Amino acid sequence: EADIYQTPRYLVIGTGKKITLECSQTMGHDKMYWYQQDPGMELHLIHYSYGVNSTEKGDLSSESTVSRIRTEHFPLTLESARPSHTSQYLCASSLQGAGQETQYFGPGTRLLVL
Amino acid sequence: AQKVTQAQTEISVVEKEDVTLDCVYETRDTTYYLFWYKQPPSGELVFLIRRNSFDEQNEISGRYSWNFQKSTSSFNFTITASQVVDSAVYFCALSEAAGGSYIPTFGRGTSLIVHP
Repeated sequence: EADIYQTPRYLVIGTGKKITLECSQTMGHDKMYWYQQDPGMELHLIHYSYGVNSTEKGDLSSESTVSRIRTEHFPLTLESARPSHTSQYLCASSLQGAGQETQYFGPGTRLLVL
Repeated sequence: AQKVTQAQTEISVVEKEDVTLDCVYETRDTTYYLFWYKQPPSGELVFLIRRNSFDEQNEISGRYSWNFQKSTSSFNFTITASQVVDSAVYFCALSEAAGGSYIPTFGRGTSLIVHP
């Protein structure tokens, strides 16, 4: 069982609020990822990180930002939430290096912006 | 550029039927890795299998089996004697050594519904 955690699991907020979705892993993985996914639909990579102080934008343009100050922690922040941000956000982590790219996923945060 | 195609959007079967989920990939790299993940209704993606491009041996794990064929660029997943608990969305993914990034590309997923 993967040791990767996300909080909150569910969040309902109003438009314009600032929110931070938390993601932590205790596996010592270098790489971490954030995906946005409408339920049962395609996964969209929005951010990833190779390690501490490394952050990269993914394939899907996102108004969110991320930080990686500690190996185990990779929070995602929305400065001003909008209804279009309503979705599920999945965090994942993996080791770095050839053949070690198996990703382990957290349980996800389901966000509803009213 | 790498690409993964899961042409089956949704498959519906009755319990105990066998079902095959297709995955076709495109890559110019000779070194790459293929994955299958399961996403049950709870939402969390669960890793099922990883296969590297140099190992074409098929694999069987209980009721699950995987058929990797480089000649057709396919990595298909078969569930034998399906059960209701197999109902989930299944994702195929490809990771290639493009500059060492190893950022996986996921297919759009296939929703499997197993009816009792």
